[in-house]
Amino acid sequence: GAGVSQTPSNKVTEKGKYVELRCDPISGHTALYWYRQSLGQGPEFLIYFQGTGAADDSGLPNDRFFAVRPEGSVSTLKIQRTERGDSAVYLCASSVGVGAGEKDTQYFGPGTRLTVL
Amino acid sequence: GQQLNQSPQSMFIQEGEDVSMNCTSSSIFNTWLWYKQDPGEGPVLLIALYKAGELTSNGRLTAQFGITRKDSFLNISASIPSDVGIYFCAGQRRDDKIIFGKGTRLHILP
Repeated sequence: GAGVSQTPSNKVTEKGKYVELRCDPISGHTALYWYRQSLGQGPEFLIYFQGTGAADDSGLPNDRFFAVRPEGSVSTLKIQRTERGDSAVYLCASSVGVGAGEKDTQYFGPGTRLTVL
Repeated sequence: GQQLNQSPQSMFIQEGEDVSMNCTSSSIFNTWLWYKQDPGEGPVLLIALYKAGELTSNGRLTAQFGITRKDSFLNISASIPSDVGIYFCAGQRRDDKIIFGKGTRLHILP
């Protein structure tokens, strides 16, 4: 497919468990972003990758959250010791990245809905 | 932190009516963006604005980048049923992350 894909689409877990959320960006996009969207809110920035490195992780709420992008394509958002407050839709976006200039559009995936019981 | 104030929070209109929503900020942005989000989907970019005072159209949608660089509005003319959804404004500084508003929920009455 041509768009950003995210798996799973839904994830239900118990408090204290570990979860991994996956994002497949658009082929050739070097920039990748993770956002969290709580009910009734707009997306909130978590972390931004340029290539394999995290260029800005200032949005990660605490050290239970971690993300990787080892080969500069697929990214995984990892949440340890999940809490009920982590329940939200986790959105991934990708863009062309370096060289695209100020008009570098972010394309969003459909998100993973995480529910922590 | 940076805050975007988006209004109205929700709108109920008749099909065919025009719609107007706006966004204000206490901070200056270099780029203003307007997205639409349908249930179960990620946001989709509708219009991007890059210069203060810029007025841009995309079909029935028109958006403007405020002169002060602290505000933007989006107008939808002659609304149709598929316009239903949540509209988000977003601001971005150069080389910085996007900050989203809380959204305007558009409902069209039968």
